[in-house]
Amino acid sequence: EPEVTQTPSHQVTQMGQEVILRCVPISNHLYFYWYRQILGQKVEFLVSFYNNEISEKSEIFDDQFSVERPDGSNFTLKIRSTKLEDSAMYFCASSRDSGNTIYFGEGSWLTVV
Amino acid sequence: ILNVEQSPQSLHVQEGDSTNFTCSFPSSNFYALHWYRWETAKSPEALFVMTLNGDEKKKGRISATLNTKEGYSYLYIKGSQPEDSATYLCAFNDYKLSFGAGTTVTVRA
Repeated sequence: EPEVTQTPSHQVTQMGQEVILRCVPISNHLYFYWYRQILGQKVEFLVSFYNNEISEKSEIFDDQFSVERPDGSNFTLKIRSTKLEDSAMYFCASSRDSGNTIYFGEGSWLTVV
Repeated sequence: ILNVEQSPQSLHVQEGDSTNFTCSFPSSNFYALHWYRWETAKSPEALFVMTLNGDEKKKGRISATLNTKEGYSYLYIKGSQPEDSATYLCAFNDYKLSFGAGTTVTVRA
């Protein structure tokens, strides 16, 4: 069964460093998302991406964050200068269209120290 | 930010017993409600996408109902098994998912 894959599964980074989280969405999907969950809190929406551009973003997704689909298969989330409060599990997700099932990856656990 | 609430936060069930729990969401501008099953260290597994008032969906021993007019959905587990132990998340879809905090189910053998 096709699945969303994410790398790395866990990354520890120093505050102020840049981090890139990588995702390979399901191949025939058109909508891509990043969500995150800070420990003990709800899963939160960060950004959705369709047709090579951001379709919606939350207030969390500020200038420190960016997304890119550099080729036909990868979808990346970049955090330019990490802060302690960026420590969270980051989930990539994809769907065929906006109303269908959204499939999640296993997450990338980011720890900022 | 949409207010999606799930209750209870956690529950313990004896193996073989049935159980249910609730997700409440804004009843205006309804588009879709998603249910996920999430085990630790795994990706959230999609269970249902519910779109119509009165919808009832079933997957094995798990089923869900939807009331969009009053803004709630129930998830039912019939004859709980230890492998049903997980956190069950609901999410309101208005072109992005707004998640509840989840109901963590522990099934005791």
